[in-house]
Amino acid sequence: GNSVTQMEGPVTLSEEAFLTINCTYTATGYPSLFWYVQYPGEGLQLLLKATKADDKGSNKGFEATYRKETTSFHLEKGSVQVSDSAVYFCALSHSSYSGAGSYQLTFGKGTKLSVIP
Amino acid sequence: EPEVTQTPSHQVTQMGQEVILRCVPISNHLYFYWYRQILGQKVEFLVSFYNNEISEKSEIFDDQFSVERPDGSNFTLKIRSTKLEDSAMYFCASSWDSYNEQFFGPGTRLTVL
Repeated sequence: GNSVTQMEGPVTLSEEAFLTINCTYTATGYPSLFWYVQYPGEGLQLLLKATKADDKGSNKGFEATYRKETTSFHLEKGSVQVSDSAVYFCALSHSSYSGAGSYQLTFGKGTKLSVIP
Repeated sequence: EPEVTQTPSHQVTQMGQEVILRCVPISNHLYFYWYRQILGQKVEFLVSFYNNEISEKSEIFDDQFSVERPDGSNFTLKIRSTKLEDSAMYFCASSWDSYNEQFFGPGTRLTVL
């Protein structure tokens, strides 16, 4: 079946440090890949996405490249800020085979990032 | 910017009671979803809804659960007889098409006592 594996947290970094959160996936077909972020007390917000192999998603200084050969979608940021402290979820979107055409998201367990000044 | 809204933000109920969680998806979206997140665990898919019917549901979505779009704006999740293990954050999401990004609401925290 489809699954997403993220590096275990929590991750604690100093401000301006480099961030990498690893994400690998298992899926049939060609899923779309997403990173969602959940700030304390809030819901899930889409951070970035990639819909096909070698696509790079980017937003707010975060980047992730869809690597089909390694089935990975690692999240990176060159210089983190205190405001980046949140839980980050890697997810893939895949369709059912029932012919209904809807797509569901399969999430990783989430990685909690804390950035200290 | 349009957003998905959910009410209430927190619901406390007794075991065995029925609860209805409400969502207002983004107005021109066609696909609607419910997910849940038990504290400390991953976000799990419950059900997707399109064209006034369920298009897919997970193993979690048993006969105690139902969804409805009673009018042109609301999308509801009903749990007929709540159990302790139903305590979780429930997220509603919507999307314009089936394969593009889903927009999530802020969630309803359900506590079953």
